[in-house]
Amino acid sequence: DVKVTQSSRYLVKRTGEKVFLECVQDMDHENMFWYRQDPGLGLRLIYFSYDVKMKEKGDIPEGYSVSREKKERFSLILESASTNQTSMYLCASRGTGIRLDPTDTQYFGPGTRLTVL
Amino acid sequence: AQTVTQSQPEMSVQEAETVTLSCTYDTSENNYYLFWYKQPPSRQMILVIRQEAYKQQNATENRFSVNFQKAAKSFSLKISDSQLGDTAMYFCAFGPNYFGNEKLTFGTGTRLTIIP
Repeated sequence: DVKVTQSSRYLVKRTGEKVFLECVQDMDHENMFWYRQDPGLGLRLIYFSYDVKMKEKGDIPEGYSVSREKKERFSLILESASTNQTSMYLCASRGTGIRLDPTDTQYFGPGTRLTVL
Repeated sequence: AQTVTQSQPEMSVQEAETVTLSCTYDTSENNYYLFWYKQPPSRQMILVIRQEAYKQQNATENRFSVNFQKAAKSFSLKISDSQLGDTAMYFCAFGPNYFGNEKLTFGTGTRLTIIP
């Protein structure tokens, strides 16, 4: 089974702090993603990476950056946390495999619920 | 750009009944994938079922089936013989059919509660 883990389930930070959210996958997947999930808004893509040291902006990248130094690890960084970044953050990974594989999809981590005070 | 709309924020149904969750989407592409994901309370999001747009046959996975209407751009999820473990948030998602763009577009979700 694919396993995607996130460093914390719950995190409380103060406004202005630098925050690191870590995600690790054990399936040698090329693609990794960071989403935020808010009630009534669904999942919105922040950043994704299709290879080591490669990254692309998603739909809401403002206020975030990412780092992918190793294939299995994808970090989301909040340079200066703000209260409007209080949210649930979900990491996902997917292999660049054959689209016809019925199991081909994004696999999600358990999420980090971040509160910024 | 693609959009995915789930018009039912919340639903509830008695255990053992059948429930249908609706999803519509908008795209100019001809080939793509559609997904239903389930997020149980405080648990990980998992794939329920997926549908390839080029396939006319509706996908089924045990008690879960879809009604895919390509012309109408509709992709509903039917859960038969609902169980308490089906209580969750359900998200519909659209995915492209080409490599190089791995983005999924999600709907806003439907919170489904199964009543004992």
